Amino acid sequence: KNEVEQSPQNLTAQEGEFITINCSYSVGISALHWLQQHPGGGIVSLFMLSSGKKKHGRLIATINIQEKHSSLHITASHPRDSAVYICAVRTYTGNQFYFGTGTSLTVIP
Amino acid sequence: NAGVTQTPKFRILKIGQSMTLQCTQDMNHNYMYWYRQDPGMGLKLIYYSVGAGITDKGEVPNGYNVSRSTTEDFPLRLELAAPSQTSVYFCASSRGQGAGEQFFGPGTRLTVL
Repeated sequence: KNEVEQSPQNLTAQEGEFITINCSYSVGISALHWLQQHPGGGIVSLFMLSSGKKKHGRLIATINIQEKHSSLHITASHPRDSAVYICAVRTYTGNQFYFGTGTSLTVIP
Repeated sequence: NAGVTQTPKFRILKIGQSMTLQCTQDMNHNYMYWYRQDPGMGLKLIYYSVGAGITDKGEVPNGYNVSRSTTEDFPLRLELAAPSQTSVYFCASSRGQGAGEQFFGPGTRLTVL
């Protein structure tokens, strides 16, 4: 069983739609990260969360520590949002990171 | 700032050959990491370092070695390449555990035949 599970694995949306990607984890964590991997392979960090909610532009990330669950929302989606979104957790006890397998998002004009 | 740089971008190795993947960061970050990404799988942590002279194993360290003689550089060494090491390798750095946003390099695509 993976320490981090993401859903859905694949997602196709029409431009303008509201998108939600979910992440559940099974280990104690000190922080949760959302990453974006572009079609060319580059990875950028979107958010680091230890509690509550963060917003950056059209992206919103939330975390519920008690339920071990996080969501990434994209409002007014755009074709340039097409990428793989990866959830990662840093364990509470050390510097180990565990990653989900990613959600591949395609936004159609 | 260049951020995190990795060389080479691509490499093909024969079974049993050795090579070093280079990683350099110019952000004066203490923490550095090596990951591998296999198709359909999440990234896996190979090794990490919390500062010069200090390294530790991650989830999948077998077949790899690292060193951290300076803050800037964190090379990953493959001594006896095996087909199971065919993967895309990413180096990353962060300022510290509490300020943990990670900055990733562009990746090295390695094929072992």
